[in-house]
Amino acid sequence: GDSVTQMEGPVTLSEEAFLTINCTYTATGYPSLFWYVQYPGEGLQLLLKATKADDKGSNKGFEATYRKETTSFHLEKGSVQVSDSAVYFCALRGDTGRRALTFGSGTRLQVQP
Amino acid sequence: DAGITQSPRHKVTETGTPVTLRCHQTENHRYMYWYRQDPGHGLRLIHYSYGVKDTDKGEVSDGYSVSRSKTEDFLLTLESATSSQTSVYFCAISNDRGEKNTIYFGEGSWLTVV
Repeated sequence: GDSVTQMEGPVTLSEEAFLTINCTYTATGYPSLFWYVQYPGEGLQLLLKATKADDKGSNKGFEATYRKETTSFHLEKGSVQVSDSAVYFCALRGDTGRRALTFGSGTRLQVQP
Repeated sequence: DAGITQSPRHKVTETGTPVTLRCHQTENHRYMYWYRQDPGHGLRLIHYSYGVKDTDKGEVSDGYSVSRSKTEDFLLTLESATSSQTSVYFCAISNDRGEKNTIYFGEGSWLTVV
């Protein structure tokens, strides 16, 4: 079945550092890929998405490129801020069947001033 | 924000009692989902619905049932709550493909079973 693997956390960075959170997936067909962010005590917010190979999703300075050849969708940001501290989830949505999201286990990011 | 309301937002209940969580949407979306979130597991699918009275199981459906009698409401019932069902429960909604290919989440329901 479908699965998503993302790097273990927590990831601790200083403000203005470069961020990469790795995400790889296993799926049949042509899934869509997503990054969601969760701030403490809140629900999940869509951060960005990509629906086909080589698409780049971007939002709020974050970006990720759908790489079918390496089955990856790594999240990057050039300069993190304290306000980016949150838990980040990589997820995929299959193109057939139940159309539900399959999530990775989440990566906690802590940004220090 | 997507029009999703979960109720109750917080609940403490005793082992062995039935509990129902409600998800209400105002977006007329076809798909509705219930997930649970636990440390180290991300979010796991409990049940989902692809239309009124059309529901199916996810990966962690044991001990849970669902009903969808109207497009806007999706109910999750814990038939006899156990401590292992202490979790945060998220409802989600979606339409389908293309630009609508996004799943939106509610704010969560914190359930504690004592």
